[in-house]
Amino acid sequence: QSILTQPPSVSGAPRQRVTISCTGSSSNIGAGFNVHWYQQLPGTAPKLVISTNSNRPSGVPDRFSGSKSGNSASLDITGLQAEDEADYYCQSYDTSVSHYVFGTGTKVIVL
Amino acid sequence: QVQLQESGPGLVEPSQTLSLTCTVSGVSMTSGTYYWSWLRQSAGKGLEWIGRIYHNGVTNYNPSLKSRVTLSADTSKNQFSLMLTSMTAADTAVYFCAREDAFHSGGGFFDYWGQGSLVTVSS
Repeated sequence: QSILTQPPSVSGAPRQRVTISCTGSSSNIGAGFNVHWYQQLPGTAPKLVISTNSNRPSGVPDRFSGSKSGNSASLDITGLQAEDEADYYCQSYDTSVSHYVFGTGTKVIVL
Repeated sequence: QVQLQESGPGLVEPSQTLSLTCTVSGVSMTSGTYYWSWLRQSAGKGLEWIGRIYHNGVTNYNPSLKSRVTLSADTSKNQFSLMLTSMTAADTAVYFCAREDAFHSGGGFFDYWGQGSLVTVSS
C-alpha cells in the first residue's frame, strides 16, 4: 500500500484546469520533505515535470504548477491539452520506511 | 544530453539472480552531486525505489529489499549495475535506472531516466 495517496483519475475538457492531489502524513510531506511530480505517457519512463514542490524544469510548459501545504501537495494543469493525457505521480521521502516513496498515480483524461 | 540505457535479460527463472546494467552517456558519473538509482514499476506495487549509488561507491537501499540487493559502479565504463537475488514472481516489473539530484535539503528527485527494462520471473 502506497504512503502517498492520489485520486485514480481526473478529467477535463481542453483548455480547462485540473488539479491532482497528493495526500501524505507527518512522516513525509508534513515533515517538510520536498514533493516532486512526474508525467508518464504509456510505455515510457516517468518524466519530471515539477521538482522541489513548485519548480518547473527547463522545457516543461508553464501550464504545469505545483504547491505544498501541510500534509498534502497539488499539481495543477491549466489550459489542458490533449498531449497532457497521461499518468502523474508524486514523490517524496518518508521517515517511517526510510526511503523515497511514490504516490498511487493519477490518470489525467482529456475529454 | 544525458541519457541512460538499461541492459540485461528479460526473463529470469524463480530463485535466480537478476543482473541489470545501466550505461550513462552525456555526462560523467563522477561529475556533479548526483546519485545513480534503480527503481521498478509493477502493476501491483506501483513505482518503487530500489536503491542508489554514489560514484565513490556509497550505497543506500530500500530496507524491504536490502537483504537481496547489491549495487555497484564501474566509473571507467560510466556504468552502474543492479543485482537482485532470490527472484520470485513478485519481482516481475519494469526496471528503470535514473539519475538522482539528491543534494537538496528535503530530499532529491529523479531528473533523467532510462527507457526501462521489462523483467519477467518465470520458469
